[in-house]
This record gives sequence, structure tokens and C-alpha cells, in this order.
Amino acid sequence: KAGVTQTPRYLIKTRGQQVTLSCSPISGHRSVSWYQQTPGQGLQFLFEYFSETQRNKGNFPGRFSGRQFSNSRSEMNVSTLELGDSALYLCASRPGQEVTGELFFGEGSRLTVL
Amino acid sequence: DAKTTQPPSMDCAEGRAANLPCNHSTISGNEYVYWYRQIHSQGPQYIIHGLKNNETNEMASLIITEDRKSSTLILPHATLRDTAVYYCIVRSTGTASKLTFGTGTRLQVTL
Repeated sequence: KAGVTQTPRYLIKTRGQQVTLSCSPISGHRSVSWYQQTPGQGLQFLFEYFSETQRNKGNFPGRFSGRQFSNSRSEMNVSTLELGDSALYLCASRPGQEVTGELFFGEGSRLTVL
Repeated sequence: DAKTTQPPSMDCAEGRAANLPCNHSTISGNEYVYWYRQIHSQGPQYIIHGLKNNETNEMASLIITEDRKSSTLILPHATLRDTAVYYCIVRSTGTASKLTFGTGTRLQVTL
């Protein structure tokens, strides 16, 4: 069974640009969540999608957005990039919205903003 | 979610048990304790979780104190591949996708 796949793995952007990151969850998983990891702030929850609807959101500005498609694949977008957006963006999937259980993380997309 | 406190780093000799402590003194009755680890440049990996009883799986054991204010993750026979940052997370009922990661413990397994 394939794991969570994130593309691209590495990318470089300049300030003011926008970026779109893609996540394909494990087959059959309908919940996708996104995390940002930086050396200063650690791992921080961005948002979660289930059945194409955003279910939870972290404390990030509106420049960070996402969506989920009917096949459960998800994308996140960051507009008007800032230097501080340089980070590893991690996607995780789960079968549904169970109360407990594990998150399956991808390898991440490493974004560098120059 | 309750706050957790972990030592920033620990060393363990290969083949010995690694005991990673976590303090969560403000945990409430419906909050679960989760452990994840992150090996350098990879996404976090789930290890184990529990509510009040001790738990064991093929990777590790989780020992939760009776008052639930602290817990210990035990890797029974640490190997070099267990070198990673280990995160103890306390999460309330609700979606298990929204985890609050702390700074974790950097475990270094040595020969």
C-alpha cells in the first residue's frame, strides 16, 4: 500500500510569489491534514480536510489556504510568500474522523523563500 | 490540549532499553497521550497512544502513571535506527488530526 505522497519535494520561490503543494493520501483515507515545521516554531497544525470540507484550522494568516478534492487528494496554497514561510510542509492522512488513531505523514515539501 | 514537558535530549546505548519520560501534569480525564517520532528529514511516525492503561505494541511500550500526570515511552532494545526526536503529545477527544507538538526529546542511540 503506497504511503502519503507529497509533491514537489523541494522548491524555491521568491518573496511575493505564491506556491501550491500537493498531497495524495493513502488509498481509502478521507482525512488530510497539513502541518508546517520550522526550526523556530517546530511542528504547527495548519488545517484539516475531510470530505472536501475544512474541519479544523490552526492559527495561520489567510495567506495559507487549502482544499480537498473528491478523490481525497489535497492541495495547500500560500500566497504572497514571505521569508518566514520557508519551512517543511507536511501532509498527513487518516481513514476518517475517528476519535483516536494514528496520523500517517508524508515526507514533506521543503519550501525555501528567497 | 494539555502542555507536555520532555527532556531536550537523551543518550542510550544500542541494545539497551530507552526510557523517555514525559510530564503532563495538567492532563484532563478525556485526554489521550500520543507518542510520535521524527527521524531526520522524514515525516513524523506514529509510535503508540493510550488513555489510562499501559499499552504495548511491536515498537514500544507506554507506561502511564496512575494519576496520569506523567508517562514513559519504552523502547525495549534500542538500535541506531531509533535515533530520532520523540514527541509526547496530549490530545483531547475530537479529531485526532490536530496535534500540538512540543519540542520533543532528541534520542541519540550509540554503539
